[in-house]
Amino acid sequence: KAGVTQTPRYLIKTRGQQVTLSCSPISGHRSVSWYQQTPGQGLQFLFEYFSETQRNKGNFPGRFSGRQFSNSRSEMNVSTLELGDSALYLCASSLDGGWGQTQYFGPGTRLLVL
Amino acid sequence: GEDVEQSLFLSVREGDSSVINCTYTDSSSTYLYWYKQEPGAGLQLLTYIFSNMDMKQDQRLTVLLNKKDKHLSLRIADTQTGDSAIYFCAEIANNAGNMLTFGGGTRLMVKP
Repeated sequence: KAGVTQTPRYLIKTRGQQVTLSCSPISGHRSVSWYQQTPGQGLQFLFEYFSETQRNKGNFPGRFSGRQFSNSRSEMNVSTLELGDSALYLCASSLDGGWGQTQYFGPGTRLLVL
Repeated sequence: GEDVEQSLFLSVREGDSSVINCTYTDSSSTYLYWYKQEPGAGLQLLTYIFSNMDMKQDQRLTVLLNKKDKHLSLRIADTQTGDSAIYFCAEIANNAGNMLTFGGGTRLMVKP
């Protein structure tokens, strides 16, 4: 079974631009979560989607948004990019996001904001 | 609230055992995880333990949980150079859906 895939793997943007990242979960998985990893803040939860609905949200500004499609693929969008948004963005999928369910991570998208 | 802490760095010799430690603060029932991250890669789940357990063993990995002290450890037996990576401890509290709260990670260096 194919793992979680994320595209693109690398991105370079400039301040003020916007960016869209994509995540395809493991086949049959319906829950997708997004995390931001930076050297300063570590790994932080952004949000979780299940059945095309945002079910849980971390403490990030409204510039960070996401959505999920009927095939469970998810996208996250960051508008008006800031230098501090440079990070590795990881998505994780699980069957239905139930408590304690194993989450499988993709390889991440590395975003550099100049 | 939840807070997960780990030491930053551990260096061991190939063939020795490695013990990576983690403390957490959530006192409710919780799942606790160990993930491994190699350079340029995502997170690989190694093992997990539920808070009503004391120990879990999986091949070279042993997880020990001290609920009283809220202390979790990961022991890697016969550590190999391929085990060099960053190891993250994470928890999901029972009121947090499936949101993982991660520690800062411990960088394990294995010397030949």
